Amino acid sequence: NAGVTQTPKFQVLKTGQSMTLQCAQDMNHEYMSWYRQDPGMGLRLIHYSVGAGITDQGEVPNGYNVSRSTTEDFPLRLLSAAPSQTSVYFCASRSTVAQYFGPGTRLTVT
Amino acid sequence: AQSVTQLGSHVSVSEGALVLLRCNYSSSVPPYLFWYVQYPNQGLQLLLKYTSAATLVKGINGFEAEFKKSETSFHLTKPSAHMSDAAEYFCAVSEPNYGQNFVFGPGTRLSVLP
Repeated sequence: NAGVTQTPKFQVLKTGQSMTLQCAQDMNHEYMSWYRQDPGMGLRLIHYSVGAGITDQGEVPNGYNVSRSTTEDFPLRLLSAAPSQTSVYFCASRSTVAQYFGPGTRLTVT
Repeated sequence: AQSVTQLGSHVSVSEGALVLLRCNYSSSVPPYLFWYVQYPNQGLQLLLKYTSAATLVKGINGFEAEFKKSETSFHLTKPSAHMSDAAEYFCAVSEPNYGQNFVFGPGTRLSVLP
């Protein structure tokens, strides 16, 4: 039981490039979400999904897309990277009473 | 709307001293409350959770928290700090419905001095 896994762990992009952050969970949770963590701001919700085929926007969705074709996977796409998207990104999946986090992806946009 | 405040972005204690990290919340319905810990360059790990059972909740690593409805608080305590407790701690609130999102506080960085 690996829990929540994320790849890559580190990534450097140039402004304007696109990429996909991968997230997978093996706990059969319907609810998954993506957060970004910036110093002094805690975690901010980007997008979330309450099941395959269902996604919705969180607090800071601009510049990001998501899809949920399976229960296990919830990739986050950066369409055209900007320096403001430099951050640490966490994927999480939720049971009925708690949320479990992946190890994070540290993204730098130059 | 729900919100979480954590008093003190940085708390320092001596090894062996009491740890007290403060969390206050606002919620229009009885909430679920959580404390998470984040060690450097790692993800968030669940320390403990309150889900409307006992108001005093015990978690991992000797931490506990007490839900006080009258004070809308969920402070985290540990009787005796250890060097390994140095980390960032996040309080979070959620409505007790599966589809509801978590709201996180800004975090408190705990330093433990020898």
